Amino acid sequence: GAGVSQTPSNKVTEKGKYVELRCDPISGHTALYWYRQSLGQGPEFLIYFQGTGAADDSGLPNDRFFAVRPEGSVSTLKIQRTERGDSAVYLCASSLPGTGGTGELFFGEGSRLTVL
Amino acid sequence: QQPVQSPQAVILREGEDAVINCSSSKALYSVHWYRQKHGEAPVFLMILLKGGEQKGHEKISASFNEKKQQSSLYLTASQLSYSGTYFCGTGAGGTSYGKLTFGQGTILTVHP
Repeated sequence: GAGVSQTPSNKVTEKGKYVELRCDPISGHTALYWYRQSLGQGPEFLIYFQGTGAADDSGLPNDRFFAVRPEGSVSTLKIQRTERGDSAVYLCASSLPGTGGTGELFFGEGSRLTVL
Repeated sequence: QQPVQSPQAVILREGEDAVINCSSSKALYSVHWYRQKHGEAPVFLMILLKGGEQKGHEKISASFNEKKQQSSLYLTASQLSYSGTYFCGTGAGGTSYGKLTFGQGTILTVHP
């Protein structure tokens, strides 16, 4: 498809389990972002990739969260030892790098994570 | 620091106008506006850059007061399709162009 694709759309897991969330950005978009959105709140920045490298991971809340983008396209957000407070919608966005285009972020529909 | 949006919610009838404000305590490089419908992805509306440049959709207008660190989004002759939650996001510039700090959102409801 032409848009940002995220899988799974919904994930229910138990406290303490490991989860992976996948993002497939728009073809040709070298910049990729992960955001987290809690109910009734705006998206919160987690991490930014330019190509394969994490250019800014200052938003990751702790070392249980990790993200990779090994080939500069698909990215995976990994959460270890999940906690109930991790429950949220995890949004992925891609864009042209720097000031290319309009600066628009193209968001996926998100992965809703529920930790029981 | 998260920007503050006002009002928190607005209810309109079709054809009415609305203004949504976004205020920051930090110096701004850019302000980005997005609309999100329930259960859907946020959709880009406009970006306003320090220095006066604006990029966005033709039917949307906004202002950016650098000195006051404020931005306002103007919705005129509202349509039912305008309903949703509007978020402003502030950017610090540099290489993390899309690293934004979003406000808490303004819920806009347009009735027939």
